[in-house]
Amino acid sequence: AQRVTQPEKLLSVFKGAPVELKCNYSYSGSPELFWYVQYSRQRLQLLLRHISRESIKGFTADLNKGETSFHLKKPFAQEEDSAMYYCASNFGNEKLTFGTGTRLTIIP
Amino acid sequence: KAGVTQTPRYLIKTRGQQVTLSCSPISGHRSVSWYQQTPGQGLQFLFEYFSETQRNKGNFPGRFSGRQFSNSRSEMNVSTLELGDSALYLCASSPRTSGGVETQYFGPGTRLLVL
Repeated sequence: AQRVTQPEKLLSVFKGAPVELKCNYSYSGSPELFWYVQYSRQRLQLLLRHISRESIKGFTADLNKGETSFHLKKPFAQEEDSAMYYCASNFGNEKLTFGTGTRLTIIP
Repeated sequence: KAGVTQTPRYLIKTRGQQVTLSCSPISGHRSVSWYQQTPGQGLQFLFEYFSETQRNKGNFPGRFSGRQFSNSRSEMNVSTLELGDSALYLCASSPRTSGGVETQYFGPGTRLLVL
């Protein structure tokens, strides 16, 4: 079955330390992959998508087809990065399948 | 531009009742998608409407239905409510100008509690 897996429900990282949020997908084709973020008391919003190959708020994500992964990384965590992060994919169609999310907490 | 708006924000219903939720997309956006968010299942796709037509559907029973009006506003309806329907229902809109998946802009959600 086509699935997006985020193995960590909770992740705590010290301020200034590197951050890596894991995302794996199960799909034999070429998916489009996204990271959405929800800050406290805000709406779910797009952080980045792999097709854009851009860095947003210092975050990057690389699609690794061999490992079917799309991990989100940031070299130096900041307190404002504390949020809920969702990985999502379209699996070749036009609807999004989301992972269960990872709550990232940055420890000051 | 004003963001996606959803009404009502909170709703309490009892089992067996039906409910209608409303979503107004960003001006100019023609696609509206609906998601159900629960602690156990996370975000699950319900359906997508574009130009008043349902384009995609998730794996939900027929009790969940929706529609889209000519001004792109959308409603979703849940009939014969069950306790398990308690969730946050999110609406998202996108321009739908390309054939692929576009950035979706989410509303604040409607929190439904079924007693």
